[in-house]
Amino acid sequence: SQKIEQNSEALNIQEGKTATLTCNYTNYSPAYLQWYRQDPGRGPVFLLLIRENEKEKRKERLKVTFDTTLKQSLFHITASQPADSATYLCAPGAGSYQLTFGKGTKLSVIP
Amino acid sequence: DAMVIQNPRYQVTQFGKPVTLSCSQTLNHNVMYWYQQKSSQAPKLLFHYYDKDFNNEADTPDNFQSRRPNTSFCFLDIRSPGLGDAAMYLCATSRGTGGNNQPQHFGDGTRLSIL
Repeated sequence: SQKIEQNSEALNIQEGKTATLTCNYTNYSPAYLQWYRQDPGRGPVFLLLIRENEKEKRKERLKVTFDTTLKQSLFHITASQPADSATYLCAPGAGSYQLTFGKGTKLSVIP
Repeated sequence: DAMVIQNPRYQVTQFGKPVTLSCSQTLNHNVMYWYQQKSSQAPKLLFHYYDKDFNNEADTPDNFQSRRPNTSFCFLDIRSPGLGDAAMYLCATSRGTGGNNQPQHFGDGTRLSIL
């Protein structure tokens, strides 16, 4: 069955550093992968989408890579700020409209 | 602002008592989704509509039903809630073109508690 693993349940980093979150998937080959941010008690908010033929995508301080050979996506936040503290979910495309979400990584940026 | 609105934000019901959760959208999106999310878990897709076409996930319990009377509204009915159904229920929408090459727009969810 399809499986998604995000590197750790929690990640603590110092303000100003680069946060790197990992998403690994097995048993399928998504054509694209989405990343979302979720704050406590709120719904996920879309951040970035990357296609299988794109190695890298950037948006402001965010960067996503997609390695279909390794079956892995990396999500980077540069110059991290306390306001970046949230849970980040990866979601490889699973079917025609479905996404399969990972459990997420809870990022805490320490001032 | 165009958005996805879920009501109520918090819902308490009794074991076995039917409950309905509501979702409305002003985005005019073709596709609407219902997810269940338990604490520290991934959102789990229950079903989705493409326009009026209903698509049930294979492992969604029969206890869960849905209605979409028009483009803007979608309802989740839980016929006989059990303690294991306590969770956050998220509604989302997306455009109907391009498959899941489209971002999903989520509401802030309804947190369901079962007494």
